This record gives sequence, structure tokens and C-alpha cells, in this order.
Amino acid sequence: QLVLTQSPSASASLGASVKLTCTLSSGHSSYAIAWHQQQPEKGPRYLMKINSDGSHIKGDGIPDRFSGSSSGAERYLTISSLQSEDEADYYCQTWDTAIQVFGGGTKLTVL
Amino acid sequence: EVHLLESGGGLVQPGGSLRLSCAASGFTFSNYALSWVRQAPGKGLEWVSTISGSGVTTYYADSMKGRFTISRDNSKHTLYLHMNSLRAEDTAIYYCAKGYFGVLDNLDYWGQGTLVTVSS
Repeated sequence: QLVLTQSPSASASLGASVKLTCTLSSGHSSYAIAWHQQQPEKGPRYLMKINSDGSHIKGDGIPDRFSGSSSGAERYLTISSLQSEDEADYYCQTWDTAIQVFGGGTKLTVL
Repeated sequence: EVHLLESGGGLVQPGGSLRLSCAASGFTFSNYALSWVRQAPGKGLEWVSTISGSGVTTYYADSMKGRFTISRDNSKHTLYLHMNSLRAEDTAIYYCAKGYFGVLDNLDYWGQGTLVTVSS
């Protein structure tokens, strides 16, 4: 069964960096995923797609502070030079035959 | 610039029906798959359904099969979600989203959502 696992919460200080993790279920380590950001009271926003080799495709207007990487079944979103507007929920998403799957989301707090 | 604008949400009684719409602009509508994703109050994102660019192929989450029907009118650049036999647990914000390339692929643009409340 295709499942994405995310930590429920993360925190980091203003101006620092943070690395969020999305883990693919066993047998699915070759799958690409996408990261989406949801600021409070807003709709989601696509950030980037990350392939198993770590290559990534960013969405329109996504700042260079956002980057992606991959290792095994883990897909990462790194945000550097954290700003207050980065405080949001971050969801990973993947897909397979006849199904789309979302992770449970990580709530990022900027201290 | 891609725009997706949902409408049709509102208050409906349990067992009732509702049709959501999503008006799209800024891209060649018939070339791209579209999806509905929902978010219950205080919860995460949940995939509902996806339809191919031509409208021929559709996919549904198991809990929505048989109750929800996704469709599209490529001449009107509009996506629809027909919801029947609504339950309290269907209460959520419903978002439409555009697929990046394939029928099942990452979603690269989202609307702002429309709220559906199922309550007596």
C-alpha cells in the first residue's frame, strides 16, 4: 500500500534553515513526490516535484530558498533563511495507478 | 497565468446532493487532467477524484466511489463534482487542482476552495 509519512510538526528560528522529510512506504522508494505549502486560511500552493535521483522541478515563482533532495525512500524539502511567511503546513503528494496520496502534513513553526 | 475558481459549496442536509464547479483559465484546458482534493476542518488534504484531459478516464478514492461523479466540459473550461448521499464526514473545503502532465501526476496549481457543510 502506497503511504507517505511526515512528522506532524517542526520548528526553526527566523533566518535559520529547516529540512522537512517525507517517507515513502516499503516498495515505493523509486516514486517521485511533490511538496505543497498551505499558509493559514489559504489554499495549497505547489512548491516542487522531487524525483528519486534528487532532481526537482519547482513551481512558478518559488524562491531559491526552497530546495529539494532525495535519499532512498526519503524525500526532503529544505527551506533556508526562514521567514515568518514560511510558517505553514507542508504536504507531500505522490501517485500510482488509479490513486493519488497525500502525507499527513507537517506544521512548521518559525520561532 | 493559471486560475482555478471553485463554486457551488454551501449547507446541505445529510443524504442530500450538491454540484461543485471549477472554472479554469490560463492554460489549454483539454490538455490537462484535473483533480478534486478536500480538507475537513482542522485536518489534512485528502484526494477525492481525478479526470483525464479528454474526460474519458476517471479515478476515485474508495470512500467516494458510487457517491461522487467527476466530469468536465472542455468547451466551457469547467470541471464538476457531483456529490450524492452526502454525510457529515463529507464536510470540508473542496479544492480543484491541475495536473502537471500525466493523468496521475503532481498537482501544480490549486484553487482557493469552496466549503461544503453537511448538517441538519
